[in-house]
Amino acid sequence: EAQVTQNPRYLITVTGKKLTVTCSQNMNHEYMSWYRQDPGLGLRQIYYSMNVEVTDKGDVPEGYKVSRKEKRNFPLILESPSPNQTSLYFCASSLDTEAFFGQGTRLTVV
Amino acid sequence: DAKTTQPTSMDCAEGRAANLPCNHSTISGNEYVYWYRQIHSQGPQYIIHGLKNNETNEMASLIITEDRKSSTLILPHATLRDTAVYYCIVRASNTGGFKTIFGAGTRLFVKA
Repeated sequence: EAQVTQNPRYLITVTGKKLTVTCSQNMNHEYMSWYRQDPGLGLRQIYYSMNVEVTDKGDVPEGYKVSRKEKRNFPLILESPSPNQTSLYFCASSLDTEAFFGQGTRLTVV
Repeated sequence: DAKTTQPTSMDCAEGRAANLPCNHSTISGNEYVYWYRQIHSQGPQYIIHGLKNNETNEMASLIITEDRKSSTLILPHATLRDTAVYYCIVRASNTGGFKTIFGAGTRLFVKA
């Protein structure tokens, strides 16, 4: 089954403790992307990647890092999480038209 | 990418057609109109997209005006499960790096 898989689905962590949210797709898509969704602000793009080793900033990249060492994986790294990064995160992948989204990761930073 | 304008919310009776409008008056010639929906904090789901011709698939129909400045997504027989936020997005099909801007969308309430 074609899918985008994010892990974990839920995470509560403390300020400053590094964490990684994984994202994997099985459709051999070139494009992958991370979004965060906050009440009243909608979906905002954090980072995106055109292909392996090619990444670029979206609209809200501060406080986040990404890597694209393999086509199927696109982890989101928070080196020093802060409470303002509490949010619902979505990973997506695409060939060029339809985007497939993961089920989301709800992150709480206390 | 061009900006889109959608109503904040709409109601629809179950079994009736839901017509969701979208304005994109600054759309460029190479930009497509995409529709996605998001059901209660799940990942957004692709519905349909088009360039200038009307499109139809198993989920919906997309009507694009001749001047391409607006479009309408039609759910022909809305069900309770169609209650969701619907996003209209304009982007070039192969836009570099898949940069996509989601607006606030339209919250559709389908009522029994």
